Amino acid sequence: DAKTTQPNSMESNEEEPVHLPCNHSTISGTDYIHWYRQLPSQGPEYVIHGLTSNVNNRMASLAIAEDRKSSTLILHRATLRDAAVYYCILRDGRNTGNQFYFGTGTSLTVIP
Amino acid sequence: DSGVTQTPKHLITATGQRVTLRCSPRSGDLSVYWYQQSLDQGLQFLIQYYNGEERAKGNILERFSAQQFPDLHSELNLSSLELGDSALYFCASSAQGRTNTGELFFGEGSRLTVL
Repeated sequence: DAKTTQPNSMESNEEEPVHLPCNHSTISGTDYIHWYRQLPSQGPEYVIHGLTSNVNNRMASLAIAEDRKSSTLILHRATLRDAAVYYCILRDGRNTGNQFYFGTGTSLTVIP
Repeated sequence: DSGVTQTPKHLITATGQRVTLRCSPRSGDLSVYWYQQSLDQGLQFLIQYYNGEERAKGNILERFSAQQFPDLHSELNLSSLELGDSALYFCASSAQGRTNTGELFFGEGSRLTVL
């Protein structure tokens, strides 16, 4: 599975949008981009995923660059409950051995 | 509630001992994954099982072993425990097939403390 690069930490003010970047310059054509987040003392939870087109769901939006070498997770209005570590992961859609390698992620702090 | 159940939630034991962590996946999910998360560390992939068979192996020590049973629950066995094995151990499950998203559902974890 290809590697991803994320900033170690970011801060955001409450009720403002947050853009969490992820670089994946070695992404292959069959790699899906997944985002998970881990709240303190909890297991990770799925946020969103996409392949080529931008995606929206109730939690967030995923913007994928045209060359797919980077993506951005967008939280439209940060709340205190969004304070978590956010992981960007690539998963090969052909590979049924879905290892899901997590990096160190981005620790998001939300300031009241 | 993710639907993935892990037991025990907390476990304290001594060095050299052996423990077994148990995971019940979501109903219908065939794949089970095990991850280790040490203090302030990221999630380290250990091993994946699919319908009873080992499918992928990560950074799992030889002192650790796992299996998935016919009813699809899984157990992670940790033996000859060392202080450095103290960590949160997460189990996750997913459906598997050509059309699924591969989304992982995580349990709440088992916190192991080795004294």
